Amino acid sequence: SAVISQKPSRDICQRGTSLTIQCQVDSQVTMMFWYRQQPGQSLTLIATANQGSEATYESGFVIDKFPISRPNLTFSTLTVSNMSPEDSSIYLCSVASSTGTSLYEQYFGPGTRLTVT
Amino acid sequence: QKEVEQNSGPLSVPEGAIASLNCTYSDRVSQSFFWYRQYSGKSPELIMSIYSNGDKEDGRFTAQLNKANQYVSLLIRDSQPSDSATYLCAGVPYNFNKFYFGSGTKLNVKP
Repeated sequence: SAVISQKPSRDICQRGTSLTIQCQVDSQVTMMFWYRQQPGQSLTLIATANQGSEATYESGFVIDKFPISRPNLTFSTLTVSNMSPEDSSIYLCSVASSTGTSLYEQYFGPGTRLTVT
Repeated sequence: QKEVEQNSGPLSVPEGAIASLNCTYSDRVSQSFFWYRQYSGKSPELIMSIYSNGDKEDGRFTAQLNKANQYVSLLIRDSQPSDSATYLCAGVPYNFNKFYFGSGTKLNVKP
């Protein structure tokens, strides 16, 4: 499975500011995703990061608030813009790689714990 | 109907027993299924994937897929306190464009 790292692992930010989270994978992967997970809740998909094109956002998430970049097949960033306390959450990067039989498995990075004050 | 549904639990089993976790899915999610384990404060960890009808065994874990009745199960034999975690079920549609997650089932294994 791919080795995924995220930076920062945690941060405390003031409302109105922005934070960029980086996700680095040790091998080229087809798909990269960004999720949010509130404490005690399940995963909520924010968007699919597409290499060389605009990300595909889920309902309720917009590019102005969560701009995403994916310049190549091993790296992506998620920016949380104009933060409010409601953005406090764990943000997870994940990648999906082929099992070699045209099927995919998804693996998660360690997450970024964001607190907005 | 949500694409993937799970009972949130908690499910409590004594140490050494079999823990049975279940998940149902809609017609939108029918290609492949996955079980993730998530310890508190950690990210989800893939423990089992299953693509075909029937059972798939890996150590103490057995995944079962029943496409006719649209459910997938995870059995954990000889449950240990270290198995206490939230278990997430996920599925993908035929075009593999995203993964749909259930809300997770919290498992408590009591010593």
